[in-house]
Amino acid sequence: GAVVSQHPSWVICKSGTSVKIECRSLDFQATTMFWYRQFPKQSLMLMATSNEGSKATYEQGVEKDKFLINHASLTLSTLTVTSAHPEDSSFYICSANAGTQYNEQFFGPGTRLTVL
Amino acid sequence: QQPVQSPQAVILREGEDAVINCSSSKALYSVHWYRQKHGEAPVFLMILLKGGEQKGHEKISASFNEKKQQSSLYLTASQLSYSGTYFCGTELPGNTPLVFGKGTRLSVIA
Repeated sequence: GAVVSQHPSWVICKSGTSVKIECRSLDFQATTMFWYRQFPKQSLMLMATSNEGSKATYEQGVEKDKFLINHASLTLSTLTVTSAHPEDSSFYICSANAGTQYNEQFFGPGTRLTVL
Repeated sequence: QQPVQSPQAVILREGEDAVINCSSSKALYSVHWYRQKHGEAPVFLMILLKGGEQKGHEKISASFNEKKQQSSLYLTASQLSYSGTYFCGTELPGNTPLVFGKGTRLSVIA
């Protein structure tokens, strides 16, 4: 099956710093990737849709300037949390559309961000 | 647009069956089912498409009632490994992103 990786798997940072999270599709090309945020015991909330070669599409209520998304190639999308604060602490998960007949989404292992 | 899942939580003994429901107020193109264990990413289980096509695991079955915009996931002869939170993700026509329900927490005990 299609494999999606994320790096780092966890990160702890000080308030005010920026953190970059990478999402890679390892064995397929993904023109579209998605970024989700999940708080403990809650559902996955879509933050943005990342499109290769164009600007990301953000969901309502998600700050574009705070969560910078760059889809530089068909196998890599990055999410940068700028000027992170403790309320940004969460589990960030990316997924990629493999472009198959069934339009499955394959999820990365997630990145746990803790902002002190 | 978030689909509604029921029940919120269920506890089963090994070997028992369970049904998890997912309903939407919108006309759907597909329903995706995932299972997530604590601290891990969701794992794909099943896709149901409008028109009746399905793709998924052998031991897990599901149905999609297009008229009612409802899907049900059937877990039979549950095993301890079935424990986790099950999410349905709904897709509207037009290649839209998945929108996930709040999840159903399933606990299988010996």
